[in-house]
Amino acid sequence: QVQLVQSGAEVKKPGASVKVSCKASGYTFTTYSMHWVRQAPGQGLEWMGWINPNSGGTNYAQKFQGRVTMTRDTSITTAYMELSRLRSDDTAVYYCARKHRTREEYYFDYWGQGTLVTVSS
Amino acid sequence: QSALTQPASVSGSPGQSITISCTGTGRDVGGYNYVSWYQQHPGKAPKLIIFDVSNRPSGVSNRFSGSKSGNTASLTISGLQAEDEADYYCSSYTSSTTLDYVFGTGTKVTVL
Repeated sequence: QVQLVQSGAEVKKPGASVKVSCKASGYTFTTYSMHWVRQAPGQGLEWMGWINPNSGGTNYAQKFQGRVTMTRDTSITTAYMELSRLRSDDTAVYYCARKHRTREEYYFDYWGQGTLVTVSS
Repeated sequence: QSALTQPASVSGSPGQSITISCTGTGRDVGGYNYVSWYQQHPGKAPKLIIFDVSNRPSGVSNRFSGSKSGNTASLTISGLQAEDEADYYCSSYTSSTTLDYVFGTGTKVTVL
């Protein structure tokens, strides 16, 4: 069965960086792009960007460009999202979610369990 | 690019039907049949319940249905059940130059 298992909660100080992992299993890793979506406490969902695990190509929401880096390690079917220069308003649950890479599908059918990142001095 | 607009809350009694609206623009909801809906219970990850405006993934109850007219998409839950109490988010692909996907503001569904 398809599973996306994320790394555990993190506490970071303002200005630091955080790297969240998303281990995929149960499907061919390179067939689906991996997207990252975050949710601040009590707030809605916000799309951050995606990585193509096949090529390593990325596309980030303009809001996060320059601060976010998405990478992958195909040998261990894991995607990563690193966010730098953290601010208090980056406190959120970060989700990975997959989308079929080549079919005309524009939805996220499986999601990770989420990783809480708390930014506090 | 602003979030898609949803009502903050909708409520109904068990067995009733409710509808949640999701209003966007011609660059997202109105421009593509790529609207999806997600159900999120407290402390849980979102779950896909509708894709491509009106299609249900395997395993999702047929009590959930979707539609679209112009720039507004809608999710209807019929035969409301206690387990339907959750937050619901719409999402759409967008032709915006600043991002690829936009989510709705979210709707809290309460079963009275």
